[in-house]
Amino acid sequence: SQTIHQWPATLVQPVGSPLSLECTVEGTSNPNLYWYRQAAGRGLQLLFYSIGIGQISSEVPQNLSASRPQDRQFILSSKKLLLSDSGFYLCAWRPRGASEKLFFGSGTQLSVL
Amino acid sequence: AQTVTQSQPEMSVQEAETVTLSCTYDTSENNYYLFWYKQPPSRQMILVIRQEAYKQQNATENRFSVNFQKAAKSFSLKISDSQLGDTAMYFCAFIPDRGSTLGRLYFGRGTQLTVWP
Repeated sequence: SQTIHQWPATLVQPVGSPLSLECTVEGTSNPNLYWYRQAAGRGLQLLFYSIGIGQISSEVPQNLSASRPQDRQFILSSKKLLLSDSGFYLCAWRPRGASEKLFFGSGTQLSVL
Repeated sequence: AQTVTQSQPEMSVQEAETVTLSCTYDTSENNYYLFWYKQPPSRQMILVIRQEAYKQQNATENRFSVNFQKAAKSFSLKISDSQLGDTAMYFCAFIPDRGSTLGRLYFGRGTQLTVWP
């Protein structure tokens, strides 16, 4: 069966520090991968998506970047965090060719202080 | 552009009663899927129910059912016999059906449902 792992669950970082959130998917190959952010009291905003290794598309210009060094690994990074980067980050994956299925990780609560 | 609108930021219901959450969407796509996701306090996103746009029959999953009105672009969720565990944020979502190409999932801003004992 397929599973998605996302870590860490919570993270408190000072302004200006770097960030690395990792997401891995098991039990499938060549998935579409997504990073979403959920600000307090708001819906989910798509940040990045990837259809393959090294292929990253950005939805919103921002202080963050994403990378996909391996087929089932998706990393969200920042060189210098801003206060506005605080939020709940969700990784998700979708089987190739299956529009109706999207599976979410358990999320990371990031607090930038 | 695709948009999903949930006009009810908060709702509450007595345990065992029925509640309906509303959702409207805007799209020029002909084939698409609609979803309701539940996000409990744990913040895990849980798929509640899914509707294919080409199906006229409304989807049902146990106590959860939808009223899908394609012409009106409306997709409401009805929860029957509400339970305390139904307390959560509910998100309506839409994804175009583009086969093997990447489909972006569009979310509404959510409705916080509280079930009272």
